[in-house]
Amino acid sequence: KNEVEQSPQNLTAQEGEFITINCSYSVGISALHWLQQHPGGGIVSLFMLSSGKKKHGRLIATINIQEKHSSLHITASHPRDSAVYICAVRMKTSGSRLTFGEGTQLTVNP
Amino acid sequence: NAGVTQTPKFRVLKTGQSMTLLCAQDMNHEYMYWYRQDPGMGLRLIHYSVGEGTTAKGEVPDGYNVSRLKKQNFLLGLESAAPSQTSVYFCASSYPNYQGQYFGAGTRLSVL
Repeated sequence: KNEVEQSPQNLTAQEGEFITINCSYSVGISALHWLQQHPGGGIVSLFMLSSGKKKHGRLIATINIQEKHSSLHITASHPRDSAVYICAVRMKTSGSRLTFGEGTQLTVNP
Repeated sequence: NAGVTQTPKFRVLKTGQSMTLLCAQDMNHEYMYWYRQDPGMGLRLIHYSVGEGTTAKGEVPDGYNVSRLKKQNFLLGLESAAPSQTSVYFCASSYPNYQGQYFGAGTRLSVL
């Protein structure tokens, strides 16, 4: 079993829909990251969370430390949101190193 | 300010050939990382460095060597390439207080 599990693996939505991507982890963490990988391959960091909730534009990330679970929400989805979304955790025992989930492929159709 | 730059972007090797991937960052980051990304798997750490002159093994180090002679550069070497090393390789860097890792654009490597 992977230490970081994401669901769903693939998600197709219609433009305007509200989207949720989930991440569960099995170890104690210092922080959790959400990253976006564009179709061209580039990876950018969206959020870093250690508690609560963060919002940036139409993206919202939440984390529940007790339940070892995080969600990434996209409101009013748009085709340009189509990408792979990756959850990664920094474990308490691993310093600066990250452990990554497999990613969720999101496709938003017009 | 280019961020993290990887060269080359694409490469095709024959089994047994050697090559070096270069990662350069201009953000004065202490920490640098090499990952590989394969279909159906998350990014996996190959080697990392917490400062100039230091390197350490990650999750999948076999078949790779690294060097960090200058703070801004982190080199990944394949001494004798194998088809199992066909992958997309990403370099990243970060500050020690770790507010996030900055990624290069990736190198797509095929070993025939």
